[in-house]
This record gives sequence, C-alpha cells and structure tokens, in this order.
Amino acid sequence: EAGVVQSPRYKIIEKKQPVAFWCNPISGHNTLYWYRQNLGQGPELLIRYENEEAVDDSQLPKDRFSAERLKGVDSTLKIQPAELGDSAVYLCASSLNEKLFFGSGTQLSVL
Amino acid sequence: GQQLNQSPQSMFIQEGEDVSMNCTSSSIFNTWLWYKQDPGEGPVLLIALYKAGELTSNGRLTAQFGITRKDSFLNISASIPSDVGIYFCAGQGSSGDKLTFGTGTRLAVRP
Repeated sequence: EAGVVQSPRYKIIEKKQPVAFWCNPISGHNTLYWYRQNLGQGPELLIRYENEEAVDDSQLPKDRFSAERLKGVDSTLKIQPAELGDSAVYLCASSLNEKLFFGSGTQLSVL
Repeated sequence: GQQLNQSPQSMFIQEGEDVSMNCTSSSIFNTWLWYKQDPGEGPVLLIALYKAGELTSNGRLTAQFGITRKDSFLNISASIPSDVGIYFCAGQGSSGDKLTFGTGTRLAVRP
C-alpha cells in the first residue's frame, strides 16, 4: 500500500516568492493534516481537513498561508509571499482511527 | 505552539544497551503515540497507547501510558545501530483534538 506522497522533496526560493507544496494521502484516509517542523523541534499543526472541510486552521498564518483540498483527496499548501522564517520542513499526514501516517516532507529553504 | 517536554534531549549509547526516555505534559491526554524520525523522512508510528497504565510492546520497544495520564515512557531494549534517530512522543486529549508533539529525544548508538 502506498504511503503519503509529498512533492517536491526540496525547494529553495528567495524571500517574497510564492511556493506551493502538494500532498496525496493514503487511499481511504479522510483526515489530512499539514504540519510544520522547525529544526530541532517536533511537528506543529498548521491545518486539519476532514474530507474537503478545514476543521482546524487556528495555527495557520492566514495572511500568507493558504491550503485547499478541493475533492477531499489531494491537498496543496501555499505560501505567498515567503519569508526567511518560513524555512522548515512541511509535513503532510493522513489518518485512520487517529493514527497519523506522515509523508517524507518538503524541506523549504528561503534565502 | 505547545510542545510536550521530552527527556533526555539526546542520548549517546553503546550498542546492546537498553534505553529509556519519557514525555511529560501539563495536560491530561487520552491517547499517547510514539514516533521515530530518520533524517530526511517523516515520523513513523511505533506504538499507540489508549488507556492509563497500559503497557504495549512492539518488538524491542515497550511504551507505557502513565497512570496520571500526563506522562508516557518508551524503552528500547538491546539497542542496535538502526535505532539511531529522533524519537517523538505525541498526545491527544479527546477524539478529534489535535495531536501535540514533544520536543524529541535524539538517539545515537555506538557500534
């Protein structure tokens, strides 16, 4: 069974540029999460979807971050414009029975 | 955001030794999860705990859900080089609550 797939694996951009990350969850998992992991820390939730509905986006910096999950399967996370402090690993996860399965993440470097 | 406290922050041990780490919270949790993260990868679920006092094993790994519901412990017996990585605990209050991650314990194993 395929796991959570994320792309790209790495992204290097200059500040003020836009960037987007893509996630394909495990088939049959209705819940999808985007986490941000700063260096040396644990993941922190940005947004959680139940099917196509964002049920918890309280930690998402809405001035520059946006996310969508239009058909309740794939999801994209966008940052526009990126800032230096956005450099981190962005992890997508999906869950069944509240056990989260993570993708390999996208490592973002903002220069 | 809130992160759980994990101890120790890092460990450097000899192959074959046993390892113990713990995770504490100021809040009560109903679910505790333990994850391992290898460099450049997302966290992988090791053990899930759902009941206070529960002791669960997965091969050489054993985890316990603390009686107070504010802590959890992970033990690794007879460590091997592939145990190297960062171990994260994660706790959840009620069903549907977000998962809060610990700060991580970095394990290095000397052959």
